[in-house]
Amino acid sequence: DIQMTQSPSSLSASVGDRVTITCRASQGISIYLAWYQQKPGKVPKLLIYGASTLQSGVPSRFSGSGSGTDFTLTISSLQPEDVATYYCQKYNNAPFTFGPGTKVEIK
Amino acid sequence: QLQLQESGPGLVKPSETLSLKCTVSGDSIRSRSYYWGWIRQAPGKGLEWIGTIYYSGTTYYNPSLQSRVTISVDTSRNQFSLTLNSVTAADTAVFYCARQMGTDLGAVISPPNWFDTWGQGTLVTVSS
Repeated sequence: DIQMTQSPSSLSASVGDRVTITCRASQGISIYLAWYQQKPGKVPKLLIYGASTLQSGVPSRFSGSGSGTDFTLTISSLQPEDVATYYCQKYNNAPFTFGPGTKVEIK
Repeated sequence: QLQLQESGPGLVKPSETLSLKCTVSGDSIRSRSYYWGWIRQAPGKGLEWIGTIYYSGTTYYNPSLQSRVTISVDTSRNQFSLTLNSVTAADTAVFYCARQMGTDLGAVISPPNWFDTWGQGTLVTVSS
């Protein structure tokens, strides 16, 4: 099975900073990748699918890129409400594995 | 507006069977473009996909859980269900049900894709 890794596992940044999270698949998955945001104590929320397509209603400061094995989620200007753990998920085929998560905090 | 609601016992004894239902409202579980999945999250841990079902009964399971998991669908009640056998404390988690998108390819539907709508989750504790 394809393994998903994320880096860093956690980060602390200032409000207004540009934040980049990386997700890597152990084998190529084309663009079959989604990103989710899970705020503390809350339900995961879909941010991006198809590696770069923004889900309706998601702020435009979020963007995704990549294909094959390497993907990035970028927050162009970090806001206090972006404090959360971010997960990638592959869906090229089953198992639909999630990455281990990246915890984003405000410095 | 689509809503999913998990229900079931919050406490299960070790070696017994965990059973949860997910009731779908605001859309038909028979919708051609959607699959229906279960995901769990152990306390303080990440998300783990358990399995997914299509209204026709086609299922996909996580290989790590496949020997203990069954997912079924009841289209008459607009519900789908999860059973997990022989539970241990390691199965203690918040269990989420979620809608999983498919892509309409015309004659067929694609395999499952991303999860776009989630239930609120239900905590199941395995303890004697």
